[in-house]
Amino acid sequence: QKEVEQDPGPLSVPEGAIVSLNCTYSNSAFQYFMWYRQYSRKGPELLMYTYSSGNKEDGRFTAQVDKSSKYISLFIRDSQPSDSATYLCAMKEASGTYKYIFGTGTRLKVLA
Amino acid sequence: SAVISQKPSRDICQRGTSLTIQCQVDSQVTMMFWYRQQPGQSLTLIATANQGSEATYESGFVIDKFPISRPNLTFSTLTVSNMSPEDSSIYLCSGRTGDSPLHFGNGTRLTVT
Repeated sequence: QKEVEQDPGPLSVPEGAIVSLNCTYSNSAFQYFMWYRQYSRKGPELLMYTYSSGNKEDGRFTAQVDKSSKYISLFIRDSQPSDSATYLCAMKEASGTYKYIFGTGTRLKVLA
Repeated sequence: SAVISQKPSRDICQRGTSLTIQCQVDSQVTMMFWYRQQPGQSLTLIATANQGSEATYESGFVIDKFPISRPNLTFSTLTVSNMSPEDSSIYLCSGRTGDSPLHFGNGTRLTVT
């Protein structure tokens, strides 16, 4: 079993839809949770960075962490064709450690 | 956040040759890392580039195959040595300052024929 599981997609939605992207994990020591967006032929770009449980909102993006279920989500409201990309979740243990564990990424297509 | 530049952005190389990838960051970062990204797989950490000393390699990666230099806080190189088609991948440079999250360059797309 992988430490971090992420559905590879592709996930196709119409423009304006609410998108839900998810990752599950097995290591209860993970404390920091990240979402990266990666456009084709580009490097991963940090979207959201959260510590421990709870929600964090930034514009159209909301990151949610449920440590009791070992489940994290990224919601995109009013999705746009420009949101079409691969979304990677990443996690790491307590402060001071350097090793990130990444999901394989979910490919999202927002159709105009 | 740091801006990370990598070059070359892509290359096609012959089996048995070596390629050196350069990474430049626009601000001093405390840690720099090299990752590999293969289709359908998660990003895999190759090594931590340590300033002025030997890199720290992850399991499955060795210095002879992936020599890394970091002569100062803002520059690092990764060499992929004696390449085979299995080395075809995207190689990503990344950096962070303190406990801030990782930032990445745009990657080097390597094809070995």
